[in-house]
Amino acid sequence: DAKTTQPNSMESNEEEPVHLPCNHSTISGTDYIHWYRQLPSQGPEYVIHGLTSNVNNRMASLAIAEDRKSSTLILHRATLRDAAVYYCILRGGSQGNLIFGKGTKLSVKP
Amino acid sequence: DAGITQSPRHKVTETGTPVTLRCHQTENHRYMYWYRQDPGHGLRLIHYSYGVKDTDKGEVSDGYSVSRSKTEDFLLTLESATSSQTSVYFCAIKGTSGRVNEQYFGPGTRLTVT
Repeated sequence: DAKTTQPNSMESNEEEPVHLPCNHSTISGTDYIHWYRQLPSQGPEYVIHGLTSNVNNRMASLAIAEDRKSSTLILHRATLRDAAVYYCILRGGSQGNLIFGKGTKLSVKP
Repeated sequence: DAGITQSPRHKVTETGTPVTLRCHQTENHRYMYWYRQDPGHGLRLIHYSYGVKDTDKGEVSDGYSVSRSKTEDFLLTLESATSSQTSVYFCAIKGTSGRVNEQYFGPGTRLTVT
């Protein structure tokens, strides 16, 4: 399974944009890039996914490098509720399960 | 809201007792997963199901069994609970077998084995 690398932690101020990076230099041509987040004391929550083009939804935007070896999750205006661990995940295990790394713990300061 | 509930949400039990955790979905999804989350390990797959009566083992299946007699319910059983099974258990559902791995998780069950 292709590996992802994320910073352990990041800080942001409330109402400012946040760019969460992920490196995945061994990604295969057919792997989708998924982002999940886990709020404190909750289950993981799907955020967004993409293959080659940048993607937007109501929660976030996903910017994918042209060579697909890295991606960035963009929260346009961080709120206190966005404080969570963010996971960048490629396709997953052979059983269709998600393989979670350590993710990036995002702290949001008021 | 993906329509996934887990019960119980919290449970304390004694070593050696059987425990069953329930995952219920209202979305009619084919694939269901049980994960456990422990500090320092992230989420790990215990068992999964790809249809009624179709289940298979995951990475950390020892000491656990599962059953799926209806599409909407996926049960996880600890036949004889041990302290090493103290964990937070999450159920997840997935609608398709395609390359997009969009899963929706339940709220979790916090299990303590004393």
